[in-house]
Amino acid sequence: EDKVVQSPLSLVVHEGDTVTLNCSYEVTNFRSLLWYKQEKKAPTFLFMLTSSGIEKKSGRLSSILDKKELFSILNITATQTGDSAVYLCAVEKGSGYALNFGKGTSLLVTP
Amino acid sequence: SQTIHQWPATLVQPVGSPLSLECTVEGTSNPNLYWYRQAAGRGLQLLFYSVGIGQISSEVPQNLSASRPQDRQFILSSKKLLLSDSGFYLCASTRLAGGLEQFFGPGTRLTVL
Repeated sequence: EDKVVQSPLSLVVHEGDTVTLNCSYEVTNFRSLLWYKQEKKAPTFLFMLTSSGIEKKSGRLSSILDKKELFSILNITATQTGDSAVYLCAVEKGSGYALNFGKGTSLLVTP
Repeated sequence: SQTIHQWPATLVQPVGSPLSLECTVEGTSNPNLYWYRQAAGRGLQLLFYSVGIGQISSEVPQNLSASRPQDRQFILSSKKLLLSDSGFYLCASTRLAGGLEQFFGPGTRLTVL
C-alpha cells in the first residue's frame, strides 16, 4: 500500500527560528514529490522535486529529495508569522499523475 | 494563466439529499482534472481523476460519482449524502503545456447534517 508520512505532525517555533519538515514515502511507480502550503483554504504549490540531490529554493524556503532513502525535507529559514500554515507533502504516481498526500505538518510561528 | 473555479464555496445539506459540485478551469486545454476531499483530522484524499472528456477513474469506492462533460468542466455528484461526506472538497488541475504540478481551486466546504 502506498504511504506518505510527514513529521512532525505539528510544530511551534518562535519568529526567526529555522525549521525542517520531513516527508518519507513508499509509493509504487514514483514520478515526483511535491510540497504545498495550506493556510485557511486551498493548498498553494511550493515545489516539485523529481531528481535526487538537487535543491530547489524560493526565498527562505528550500527543499531536497533523496530517492534512494525515499524522503524529502522542506526547510524554512528565519521564519515569520506568515509562515504559519499546514505544509503538505504529496507524491505523484505514474498513471494519471494522481497525488498521494501525507497528513501534513501544522506549523505555528509565534512572534 | 490558469484559473480554477469552484462553486458553491460553502454548502450545508441534510443527510439523504443529492449533491452536485462543479469545477471549471480557464486558461488551459486538455488538463488532467482531480477531485480531492479533506476531512477533519485527515489528509487530502483523492476521490476521482480524469485525463479527458468522459474518462473518469475512481480511487476510493463510495457513494460519490464524477463526470466530465466538457474538456474544462468536472462535476462531483451524489444521489444521497451521508454524514461522512462532510469535508472540504477541492478540484485540481494540471498546468498547461505538460506541467505536472497540480493547482487547486478555492474549494467547497460541505457540511452534511
